[in-house]
This record gives sequence, structure tokens and C-alpha cells, in this order.
Amino acid sequence: GEQVEQRPPHLSVREGDSAVITCTYTDPNSYYFFWYKQEPGASLQLLMKVFSSTEINEGQGFTVLLNKKDKRLSLNLTAAHPGDSAAYFCARITGNTRKLIFGLGTTLQVQP
Amino acid sequence: GGIITQTPKFLIGQEGQKLTLKCQQNFNHDTMYWYRQDSGKGLRLIYYSITENDLQKGDLSEGYDASREKKSSFSLTVTSAQKNEMAVFLCASSMGIAEQFFGPGTRLTVL
Repeated sequence: GEQVEQRPPHLSVREGDSAVITCTYTDPNSYYFFWYKQEPGASLQLLMKVFSSTEINEGQGFTVLLNKKDKRLSLNLTAAHPGDSAAYFCARITGNTRKLIFGLGTTLQVQP
Repeated sequence: GGIITQTPKFLIGQEGQKLTLKCQQNFNHDTMYWYRQDSGKGLRLIYYSITENDLQKGDLSEGYDASREKKSSFSLTVTSAQKNEMAVFLCASSMGIAEQFFGPGTRLTVL
């Protein structure tokens, strides 16, 4: 019920390539979703928040897609650069609880 | 804007010792959280507090106490540190169920 499955755990791409990280969940009462970025030795930085009524959100160099039917959330980096190398975490909030349920994270390495 | 500060940045303790971590935020957020981050296990919620003097258990509360002394501060106590324990403790805050903002973390090592 509560878990968020995040794939892949590790991802290595070359500069300029795209990178896709996916999270799946089972709880149909998931209303808010978040993507966080954590650079080595640093804390979590909010990248994007997505509400259940939103299906596509675009940021600087990335797109977040929410497929409510398949209960899948994805982060797509369109042209990765070395500065994107970090750990990425998806998270969701259910209903009116304040608990964030995190995926286990994806370590992305972008080779120059 | 605002900031979350955590002290200390590094904490080294002995087995069985009681250790306290502190967190301050100036966002004027109502809710504060403590998470533990272990390599390969993601983030797990220890305690959270929705207002001053409130305390709610998370998934990992055993072995910890917490205290919300005032709106801007939330402390976490490791009641008896376990040998070979190594983790990063992250404090966060939010306004209601909105996005959570995280502090820089306290890295704990138990000898």
C-alpha cells in the first residue's frame, strides 16, 4: 500500500543523452508527488511538485510525467550534463497526511 | 525565502550514549520532520510535529525521542546510540501538506 518503487537504482549516461527515472505506486489516494535532487554530501533540493490534476510539468532541462491510470511518475532529463550527476528521489503524499513516502532513490552519473 | 539549520554537522558518539540533534527553521512553517537516511534504504520518517508541543511517531521512532520546543525548533534524541551505527539525519519543514524543505543534515557515527 504505502511503498513507492523507484527504478533504476543506478543510471549512467553520456553528456547530451536523455535519462529517465520512474516511480510506481499502488495507493490510489496519492494526491501530491515530488522529485528531489541530492548532490553528493548535500541535502535534498526540491526539483518539482506535481499534483494529481497535473499530468506534465516542465522544468529547466527536465519534464515530469504523471500517468494516473498506470500509477506511474517519471522524471525525464532531456539532455543530461555533468551537473545533473546526483541522487534523485521521488516522493508522494497520501490524502491529508503529512507523511512523505520516498522511493529508494536513483544515482545518476553523467559522463562528459 | 528561509533556511533550515541543523547542529551539529558531524556527531560522533560512544555506544550507549544519549545524543541530541537540533534543527531550526525560519520559514514560519507549522510542521517539522526528522528523517534518517541510510545508504540503500532511502529516507525513513522518525518523528514529525504539526505544531508546537505536538509529536507524531513515524515509521522508525523506536530508539528515538523528539521535542518541539517552539514553532521554529525541533530536536531529536538518540536514546542509546548503537555501535557501528552510521547515518545521516535530515530535518525538514513544511506548511501543512505542501512541499517539504530539507536542512543540510547531521552525520552520525557511533564508535
